[in-house]
Amino acid sequence: GQQLNQSPQSMFIQEGEDVSMNCTSSSIFNTWLWYKQDPGEGPVLLIALYKAGELTSNGRLTAQFGITRKDSFLNISASIPSDVGIYFCAGQSTNFGNEKLTFGTGTRLTIIP
Amino acid sequence: NAGVMQNPRHLVRRRGQEARLRCSPMKGHSHVYWYRQLPEEGLKFMVYLQKENIIDESGMPKERFSAEFPKEGPSILRIQQVVRGDSAAYFCASSGTGDQPQHFGDGTRLSIL
Repeated sequence: GQQLNQSPQSMFIQEGEDVSMNCTSSSIFNTWLWYKQDPGEGPVLLIALYKAGELTSNGRLTAQFGITRKDSFLNISASIPSDVGIYFCAGQSTNFGNEKLTFGTGTRLTIIP
Repeated sequence: NAGVMQNPRHLVRRRGQEARLRCSPMKGHSHVYWYRQLPEEGLKFMVYLQKENIIDESGMPKERFSAEFPKEGPSILRIQQVVRGDSAAYFCASSGTGDQPQHFGDGTRLSIL
């Protein structure tokens, strides 16, 4: 089956630093999504990407849909304490929302005081 | 969390009992998805339903698990004769039509004694 690998698994950074994480797949996806999950809560949608090569921003967050359609990247600029959490990528085979998501393994972000 | 309501938030059952998890989608959404998350892992797809229809149940265990989304009322994920391995967080997501992404509820944390 399809698998999504995220790296790094965890990151320890200082407040104000920029963050980069990526997600790679063994097969093609036509939609990439990035979610953030806080402890005890459900994933919250950050960015949705629908086109290969697309670069989309949401405030301090920027995500890119890889040209090969087998990867995606998420960058966070000038990190703040509320950025702490687990970031998941998710892929769909179609461009329509009505299909299952395949989730990555997650990147845990910790901010060191 | 984006209007998807799940209850209960926490559920404790003894081995052999039944667990019923409920999900009300966001207003205007007619597509419901169930995912399971084990500690320190990503979410794994279980089943996708529309009103009165199961569209994709490829992630659903063959025995003891069932799901429904009736014409009226919430979607229900039912686990019969629960075992310790069923302990997990179960998340529901919903989406509208077209390319609208899935939005998640805050989950039900099922603990089996």
